[in-house]
Amino acid sequence: AQSVTQLGSHVSVSEGALVLLRCNYSSSVPPYLFWYVQYPNQGLQLLLKYTTGATLVKGINGFEAEFKKSETSFHLTKPSAHMSDAAEYFCAVSPETGANNLFFGTGTRLTVIP
Amino acid sequence: DTGVSQDPRHKITKRGQNVTFRCDPISEHNRLYWYRQTLGQGPEFLTYFQNEAQLEKSRLLSDRFSAERPKGSFSTLEIQRTEQGDSAMYLCASSPVGGSNQPQHFGDGTRLSIL
Repeated sequence: AQSVTQLGSHVSVSEGALVLLRCNYSSSVPPYLFWYVQYPNQGLQLLLKYTTGATLVKGINGFEAEFKKSETSFHLTKPSAHMSDAAEYFCAVSPETGANNLFFGTGTRLTVIP
Repeated sequence: DTGVSQDPRHKITKRGQNVTFRCDPISEHNRLYWYRQTLGQGPEFLTYFQNEAQLEKSRLLSDRFSAERPKGSFSTLEIQRTEQGDSAMYLCASSPVGGSNQPQHFGDGTRLSIL
């Protein structure tokens, strides 16, 4: 069974500070992992994904995430927060077989303080 | 790439009425997904099509829900005899052939409000 836990439903950072959003997954086999961002009244936009290969994945808007199999984690980071980063962030896993539907965490709302 | 399009963006209806939503996926994508997102939660999978075939349905998809993708292009999601608990954002996503490593592209959703 697939599941995702996002620690911290709300995270606040100052503009220019490090952003760290946590994601842990549960899966019987190594899954594919994704981070999506959602702005108010909009759909989800893909930030980055991990499938195979390099465990440090770079995405759009300066975000990156590191897959750590031993910790079953896929935390999202950005060195310097920008006001435009304020949004809801979702971590998701997808099994390698079957419908390939995404299992999402409950999301983390990021607030950036000027 | 014109993106995934959903219509309408908002729907307000009275309890007990039927509603239908439409999703137009990215044209070259053969996989189409429906998700439901309630306030403060992540999206939850409802159903999945590969071309015109509906291959999987979640237990969340009660008998009042039906989805179609008649020609393997656009899809519709119908909810019959709506209930208060159906109030949510309904998201459609599409992806190309190639397995679950292919990212899903989401539309902006249809927000359903039941009075």
